[in-house]
Amino acid sequence: GDSVTQMEGPVTLSEEACLTINCTYTATGYPSLFWYVQYPGEGLQLLLKATKADDKGSNKGFEATYRKETTSFHLEKGSVQVSDSAVYFCALGRNNNDMRFGAGTRLTVKP
Amino acid sequence: NAGVTQTPKFQVLKTGQSMTLQCAQDMNHNSMYWYRQDPGMGLRLIYYSASEGTTDKGEVPNGYNVSRLNKREFSLRLESAAPSQTSVYFCASRTSGGAYYIDTQYFGPGTRLTVL
Repeated sequence: GDSVTQMEGPVTLSEEACLTINCTYTATGYPSLFWYVQYPGEGLQLLLKATKADDKGSNKGFEATYRKETTSFHLEKGSVQVSDSAVYFCALGRNNNDMRFGAGTRLTVKP
Repeated sequence: NAGVTQTPKFQVLKTGQSMTLQCAQDMNHNSMYWYRQDPGMGLRLIYYSASEGTTDKGEVPNGYNVSRLNKREFSLRLESAAPSQTSVYFCASRTSGGAYYIDTQYFGPGTRLTVL
C-alpha cells in the first residue's frame, strides 16, 4: 500500500542555516503530496502541496518539488528562523479519506 | 473563528474505563476525521465522516466508536480503554464531501491520552 518515509529527527540548526528534510514515498499512480507543520501546542496546518510530477509547492520561504523519478518530496528552506521551530510532516493523498502521513521531523532552530 | 477545537487536552484513564473525546468545527465543513499519532508512526486514520449522518472505518478502527452528532461535531468513544490506546488524538475537517478531490484538512490541537 501507499506509504511515506521521512527523515528522522530531531534536527537542530542555527538561525540562517539551510534546511532539508527528506521525504520519499511509495505509491502507485499519481498521488498528491503535502507538507504539514505543527507548531508547539497547535494542530497540524498545511504548509505546501503539489498535485503532479515536477510541481513545486512553496510557502513562507519553504519549497518542495514533486519528483516522480526519485519518488521524493524533500522540504527545503534557504535560511531558517527561530520561529520555524516545529514538527514537520510529509503526507501523501490519493483522496481525502486515505491520507498517509510520515512520522514527523522535529526541527529546533537556535538563535 | 475557532477552527477545530478538541476537548479535553489531556486525559489519564485506567484500563477498562471509558471516555469520549469531543471535536467541533465552525467552518461549515462536510467531512471530519479522527487520527491517532504514535511515536515513529505518523498519523493513522481511525474513523471518518464524509458528511453528516455517515461514518466509515479508517486504518485502525478497532476499540473505537464514533458519532457524527451534527455537521459541527464528531466524537470518538473508547468503550474499554487499553494501554495500547495511549496516544495523541487529532481531529480534522475539510470542506468537500467528495472522496477524489484533495482538499486541505484543518486540524485541532490534539488530545493527549494515557491509559494506565
